[in-house]
Amino acid sequence: GAVVSQHPSRVICKSGTSVKIECRSLDFQATTMFWYRQFPKQSLMLMATSNEGSKATYEQGVEKDKFLINHASLTLSTLTVTSAHPEDSSFYICSASGTGLNTEAFFGQGTRLTVV
Amino acid sequence: AQKVTQAQTEISVVEKEDVTLDCVYETRDTTYYLFWYKQPPSGELVFLIRRNSFDEQNEISGRYSWNFQKSTSSFNFTITASQVVDSAVYFCALRGFNKFYFGSGTKLNVKP
Repeated sequence: GAVVSQHPSRVICKSGTSVKIECRSLDFQATTMFWYRQFPKQSLMLMATSNEGSKATYEQGVEKDKFLINHASLTLSTLTVTSAHPEDSSFYICSASGTGLNTEAFFGQGTRLTVV
Repeated sequence: AQKVTQAQTEISVVEKEDVTLDCVYETRDTTYYLFWYKQPPSGELVFLIRRNSFDEQNEISGRYSWNFQKSTSSFNFTITASQVVDSAVYFCALRGFNKFYFGSGTKLNVKP
């Protein structure tokens, strides 16, 4: 299957700082990228969907000014958690997909964010 | 509304037992795709299978098999002769327009 690389895999930051997470599709053009947040022992909660070159579409309840998503190219999307607080600590997962219903999403390895 | 339900939160079996993970979905779309993903303790989701709404043929891949029944809106996943390495959380997902809908996941524990 396709390879999606997410970096970093783990990050610890101080409260009030910002953290950027990168998601790269290494061997295909990802027209759509999804960003998820996963709490312990829970399912994936979709935060936003981004299409290359367009503004991200955020799910209800997700603060777009706090979780900045950029999808400037077909191979790279970034999620920046601004002014992070301990409650933002979570597992963040990106996935990349081509267009069309019949394309599966390939997932990155996830990023464990801890805000202290 | 689009929704995926995995009623089994956690299942424990002994190695070599067969186990079936249930998935029930809701959608108004006539064309849709269903998926299963595996999430081992490392956290990365691994794609297992994709099935479109027009293809109800069951599929077998090694010890894995899938039973898709539109009449009951179910897409169940069976692991035959389970192994310890099968221990993971398994997610069923439905793809609608530009969005994936995930079930809550079933944690499978396979004990030696």
